[in-house]
Amino acid sequence: SAVISQKPSRDICQRGTSLTIQCQVDSQVTMMFWYRQQPGQSLTLIATANQGSEATYESGFVIDKFPISRPNLTFSTLTVSNMSPEDSSIYLCSVGGTGGSFYGYTFGSGTRLTVV
Amino acid sequence: DAKTTQPTSMDCAEGRAANLPCNHSTISGNEYVYWYRQIHSQGPQYIIHGLKNNETNEMASLIITEDRKSSTLILPHATLRDTAVYYCIAAQGAQKLVFGQGTRLTINP
Repeated sequence: SAVISQKPSRDICQRGTSLTIQCQVDSQVTMMFWYRQQPGQSLTLIATANQGSEATYESGFVIDKFPISRPNLTFSTLTVSNMSPEDSSIYLCSVGGTGGSFYGYTFGSGTRLTVV
Repeated sequence: DAKTTQPTSMDCAEGRAANLPCNHSTISGNEYVYWYRQIHSQGPQYIIHGLKNNETNEMASLIITEDRKSSTLILPHATLRDTAVYYCIAAQGAQKLVFGQGTRLTINP
């Protein structure tokens, strides 16, 4: 399965600022997703990162708040914009679709974000 | 994607088989049943998935009822390291995964 490097692993940010999270994969993948996990909660899908085109956002998430880039099949970024304390969460990158068969998605270790 | 229902929490003794149930009564014919688990402070880990037939791998077994409305994940010899939140998800192959609340499994010594 693919190996994901997600950076930064954690950060403490001031409200009103923005943070860009990087997801680097060691092989080309078809599917890339970004999730948010609020404290004590399950994972919520933010968007599907589409290579070479705009991301597909889930209900409740908008591009202005969570702009996503995916310039190629191994890399994506998620920006959390104009942050508030409510954005304090773990943000996770997920990838899948390596090779010809589907063996389940791989998740990064996450970025633990605290907004103060 | 079909909604799944799982018990909020379960306990199991170390060394015994852990059987985690999942209901997915509205699953459609082209949706798979996926199981993931999340150990504290880590990203979710893929365990197993299946469509109709029972499946087994080095981690677990997946038993799907004939009508596909429910399934059971079996960890044959649970260890303390199996303590985690287990998620059952119904989704089409190679499509986005929507997570429910999962089952918090605690393995007791």
